[in-house]
Amino acid sequence: QQQVKQSPQSLIVQKGGISIINCAYENTAFDYFPWYQQFPGKGPALLIAIRPDVSEKKEGRFTISFNKSAKQFSLHIMDSQPGDSATYFCAASIAGSARQLTFGSGTQLTVLP
Amino acid sequence: EAGVAQSPRYKIIEKRQSVAFWCNPISGHATLYWYQQILGQGPKLLIQFQNNGVVDDSQLPKDRFSAERLKGVDSTLKIQPAKLEDSAVYLCASRKSGSQETQYFGPGTRLLVL
Repeated sequence: QQQVKQSPQSLIVQKGGISIINCAYENTAFDYFPWYQQFPGKGPALLIAIRPDVSEKKEGRFTISFNKSAKQFSLHIMDSQPGDSATYFCAASIAGSARQLTFGSGTQLTVLP
Repeated sequence: EAGVAQSPRYKIIEKRQSVAFWCNPISGHATLYWYQQILGQGPKLLIQFQNNGVVDDSQLPKDRFSAERLKGVDSTLKIQPAKLEDSAVYLCASRKSGSQETQYFGPGTRLLVL
């Protein structure tokens, strides 16, 4: 029940295209859903996050879509750029002092020039 | 504001040897996490500290792994003895605590056990 399932494992997109990464969860106690971006040799960095009381959140070219009834959320990268090439992780956590993150398995995104 | 610092960045050891990793969280962050990230997988939580107390170490292999955060600031993670399957990146993250959800990650220590 603590799992977060992420797909696809890898994604290749042309420059200017839209990248879409999907995640699904089972535990309805999750109340915070961040996306992290990780470049080779670096630690994950928070990209954008959403709470289940909204269905969409947009920051620049990055948008999270959230479907509470389906227990799914996705990351959309508009106008994808070669500099977006990285590994993306979805995650989820439960309210409380622990705030432990359960991560998806990651999606390696390659944006071709 | 300085980020989360970790050292060393890389370590190569032979199996059955011991190794220690160090983490300095962002100043003022009460909560500190250690994660293990195996190649091709998402980070997996090993242990969580709140100040100098352990909040959760349920996923820490306590027969070989240990961690401490004696003064509520820096933390060390130790493996003794190391096994081949311990080859991974060890990530440290910190969070300000309270209602602040964001975890900030360090660059990690890449461990190779031969």
